[in-house]
Amino acid sequence: GQQVMQIPQYQHVQEGEDFTTYCNSSTTLSNIQWYKQRPGGHPVFLIQLVKSGEVKKQKRLTFQFGEAKKNSSLHITATQTTDVGTYFCAGRSARQLTFGSGTQLTVLP
Amino acid sequence: EAGVAQSPRYKIIEKRQSVAFWCNPISGHATLYWYQQILGQGPKLLIQFQNNGVVDDSQLPKDRFSAERLKGVDSTLKIQPAKLEDSAVYLCASSSMAGGHGYTFGSGTRLTVV
Repeated sequence: GQQVMQIPQYQHVQEGEDFTTYCNSSTTLSNIQWYKQRPGGHPVFLIQLVKSGEVKKQKRLTFQFGEAKKNSSLHITATQTTDVGTYFCAGRSARQLTFGSGTQLTVLP
Repeated sequence: EAGVAQSPRYKIIEKRQSVAFWCNPISGHATLYWYQQILGQGPKLLIQFQNNGVVDDSQLPKDRFSAERLKGVDSTLKIQPAKLEDSAVYLCASSSMAGGHGYTFGSGTRLTVV
């Protein structure tokens, strides 16, 4: 079945540093979604990417979808303590949305 | 708009007991999902409904798990009998279009099986 891998599993950064998480799928995706889960909370939808090579920005967050539609990345510029949480990618293939294992981000003040 | 409602928030049961979780999706959302999230892992799809019909239940352990969405609105997920490895957060989500947009998740039910 479809597998979605994310690296790194954990990332500790100093406040103000940049952060990137990478997502790779074993199959070509029709789209990819990104979610953020705060500690003790539930996943919250951030964005969806559909087109090959697509780049979208939300303030300090930049999302990319690979040309082959099998990989994606999320980059946060100048992290803040409010960015703390686990970031999940979720790849859609056929009718199913498969979540990656997530990258847990800790921001040190 | 009101979010996805789930209850109970927490549940502790002994192994071999049964348990049920309830979910009320966002009004008008035709698609409802149940996910299992084990600590430290990403959510794993258990079952997907489109209105009151099952779209995908390929990862639902059908010997012990069952789910229904009789009137195409709220849904119930049941586990009978529970095993220790069922300890997880059970998340319900809904979306307005199957596969078209992001999912809105409820706060989840944290199940502990002892």
